[in-house]
Amino acid sequence: QKEVEQDPGPLSVPEGAIVSLNCTYSNSAFQYFMWYRQYSRKGPELLMYTYSSGNKEDGRFTAQVDKSSKYISLFIRDSQPSDSATYLCAMRGTGTASKLTFGTGTRLQVTL
Amino acid sequence: GAGVSQTPSNKVTEKGKYVELRCDPISGHTALYWYRQSLGQGPEFLIYFQGTGAADDSGLPNDRFFAVRPEGSVSTLKIQRTERGDSAVYLCASSLDPNGSPLHFGNGTRLTVT
Repeated sequence: QKEVEQDPGPLSVPEGAIVSLNCTYSNSAFQYFMWYRQYSRKGPELLMYTYSSGNKEDGRFTAQVDKSSKYISLFIRDSQPSDSATYLCAMRGTGTASKLTFGTGTRLQVTL
Repeated sequence: GAGVSQTPSNKVTEKGKYVELRCDPISGHTALYWYRQSLGQGPEFLIYFQGTGAADDSGLPNDRFFAVRPEGSVSTLKIQRTERGDSAVYLCASSLDPNGSPLHFGNGTRLTVT
């Protein structure tokens, strides 16, 4: 079993929809949680960075962390075709700043 | 530069050959990381440098893989006796410091071993 599980999709939604992306993890040492967006043939781009449990909002993006359930989510409001990309969750423990453990990524397609 | 720069963007080599992949981090970033991303997978950690030294190389798959960062800036990932299974996108990232600053990734080098 992988330390981080993420549904690979693809996930197809109409423009304007609310998108929910999720990851589960098994390592209780993970304390820092990130979401990256990756366009085709590009490197991952950091979207959200959160510590421990709780919510964080940035524009149309909201990240949620539930450490008790070992479950993290990314919500995208008013989705746009330009949001079409692969979304990767990543996480690490304290004292392991060098090593991020990534999910496999969820491919999102926002259609007109 | 404005971001992490990786060269070449694509590399095709024959099985058994030696390759070098270059990474130029964001100016002022002391920490540098190499990750490998296979098709349909998330990036996997290879090695991390703090300054000139490799602080953690536990992700290197075997001794055919080696990386250097002689002056604490540019890094080179070296792969000897390449195998078809080495085909992947090799991503470099840098961060301001190793204590939790966010990682900024380059666009990677797509390595194909024929």
